[in-house]
Amino acid sequence: DVKVTQSSRYLVKRTGEKVFLECVQDMDHENMFWYRQDPGLGLRLIYFSYDVKMKEKGDIPEGYSVSREKKERFSLILESASTNQTSMYLCASSSQGFQPQHFGDGTRLSIL
Amino acid sequence: GEDVEQSLFLSVREGDSSVINCTYTDSSSTYLYWYKQEPGAGLQLLTYIFSNMDMKQDQRLTVLLNKKDKHLSLRIADTQTGDSAIYFCAEKAGTSGTYKYIFGTGTRLKVLA
Repeated sequence: DVKVTQSSRYLVKRTGEKVFLECVQDMDHENMFWYRQDPGLGLRLIYFSYDVKMKEKGDIPEGYSVSREKKERFSLILESASTNQTSMYLCASSSQGFQPQHFGDGTRLSIL
Repeated sequence: GEDVEQSLFLSVREGDSSVINCTYTDSSSTYLYWYKQEPGAGLQLLTYIFSNMDMKQDQRLTVLLNKKDKHLSLRIADTQTGDSAIYFCAEKAGTSGTYKYIFGTGTRLKVLA
């Protein structure tokens, strides 16, 4: 079974802090994704990566950056956290072709 | 642009069938997926269907695809209280190298005992 592991289930940070959310997958997937999930808005794509050291902006990249130094790890960085970044963050990975995305359990991030 | 729409809520009685509907706009969709999200958890893949298929059955789940109307549905037979969750429809659209996954806003299914 594919395992996508997000480093924290719950995280509380303060406004202005630099925040790192980590995601690791164990199936050698090429593609990795970061979403945020907010009530009534569904999933919105922040950033994605099709290969190591490669990144592409999603629909809402402002205020975020990513890092993919190794194939199995995709990090989401909040450069200077703000209260409107309080949300559930979901990481996903997939292989090529028709294969679906596999999701981690999510990180519920609160910015105070 | 691409869009996937679902109704927000559905309530059914235990033992009845549930039908969750989804419409999408991108005609280049190749694969369509159904995910289930339980409280406090990530999304779990339930099933998927290729765009050249009309129907797929997997135990209690039946997926119907009407490509002409761009309509997808998920039927859950003999719905149980453990089926209470949010169900997301998603499509994989675009061409090789430029595809993306587009999710609906989710349908919250409540199963009444």
